[in-house]
Amino acid sequence: GAVVSQHPSWVICKSGTSVKIECRSLDFQATTMFWYRQFPKQSLMLMATSNEGSKATYEQGVEKDKFLINHASLTLSTLTVTSAHPEDSSFYICSARDPFRGGPNQETQYFGPGTRLLVL
Amino acid sequence: DAKTTQPNSMESNEEEPVHLPCNHSTISGTDYIHWYRQLPSQGPEYVIHGLTSNVNNRMASLAIAEDRKSSTLILHRATLRDAAVYYCIPGGSQGNLIFGKGTKLSVKP
Repeated sequence: GAVVSQHPSWVICKSGTSVKIECRSLDFQATTMFWYRQFPKQSLMLMATSNEGSKATYEQGVEKDKFLINHASLTLSTLTVTSAHPEDSSFYICSARDPFRGGPNQETQYFGPGTRLLVL
Repeated sequence: DAKTTQPNSMESNEEEPVHLPCNHSTISGTDYIHWYRQLPSQGPEYVIHGLTSNVNNRMASLAIAEDRKSSTLILHRATLRDAAVYYCIPGGSQGNLIFGKGTKLSVKP
């Protein structure tokens, strides 16, 4: 099956610093990747849609200047949390869609293992 | 995006079948019904998806109502490793998946 990796798996940082999280599709090329955030005991919340070679589309309420997304290649998208604060502590999960699996609207996504961010 | 209704939680005994229901009465005609599950501290895992016909794969079966307003995920023999939160998600036209609260499945030995 399709494999998506994330790095790092967990990170602890000081308030005010920036943290970069990488999302890679290992055995397929992903024109579209998605970034989610999950707080404890809550469901996943879609943050943004990342399209290779173009600007990301952010969901309502997600600050694009705080959560910088770069999708420079078909196998890599990065999320940078800038000037992180304790309230940004969360579980960040990416997913990727393989355009050659399934037809229109089938939209099967393959998820990474997640990155746990703790901001002190 | 179509709204979904799932039980907050369900319990099952190991090696017994489990039927996880989902109501999606506002689903559009072209939206697939996707099921994902999330084990503790992991990213979600694809389980199965379908449009109109019932679907089977190595993990589960998906029974879709004739009017498509509901579906049921069937785990034929639950194992302890099936304990997870199961999400029923009608496919979005934008290509994104909007997760609801899902059903937390507990499996008792």
